[in-house]
Amino acid sequence: DAGVTQSPTHLIKTRGQHVTLRCSPISGHKSVSWYQQVLGQGPQFIFQYYEKEERGRGNFPDRFSARQFPNYSSELNVNALLLGDSALYLCASSFFYADTQYFGPGTRLTVL
Amino acid sequence: DAKTTQPNSMESNEEEPVHLPCNHSTISGTDYIHWYRQLPSQGPEYVIHGLTSNVNNRMASLAIAEDRKSSTLILHRATLRDAAVYYCILSSTGANNLFFGTGTRLTVIP
Repeated sequence: DAGVTQSPTHLIKTRGQHVTLRCSPISGHKSVSWYQQVLGQGPQFIFQYYEKEERGRGNFPDRFSARQFPNYSSELNVNALLLGDSALYLCASSFFYADTQYFGPGTRLTVL
Repeated sequence: DAKTTQPNSMESNEEEPVHLPCNHSTISGTDYIHWYRQLPSQGPEYVIHGLTSNVNNRMASLAIAEDRKSSTLILHRATLRDAAVYYCILSSTGANNLFFGTGTRLTVIP
């Protein structure tokens, strides 16, 4: 079975630009969570979606938004990129919103 | 979120058992104890979780203290592929996010 997949693998943007990151959950999983991992730190929770509804939001500015589609895939959008947004963005899926989460390989975003 | 305390780093010899400690003195009755690990350049990988009783799976064992204020992840025979950052995380029933600390970096010596 395929695990969580994320695209793209790497991305380079400049300050002020917008970025969209994509995630496909494990087949049958209905919940997707997004995390940001800055170099040298543990992942930080950004959003969780379950059945296309937002279930939780971490302490991130409104420049960060997300949505979940009917096929349970998800997009994370970041507007007006800052240098500090450079990080590994991780997507995790679970069958239920409070279930064990399984992570994808991440998208490495570099903002110049 | 209830916090956990882990040593920053540990070393182990290959093929020897490894005991990774975690303190969580403010754990509540509904908090599950989760362990994830992150290999270099990969996303975190689920290892094991438990509530009150010790747990075993194909990857590891989780020993939970009787008062639940600490736990230990046990790798029975460390291999070079076990070199990773190990995170001990508390997550309450129905919670929808995981709070990762800085974890323990395990180095396995050949």
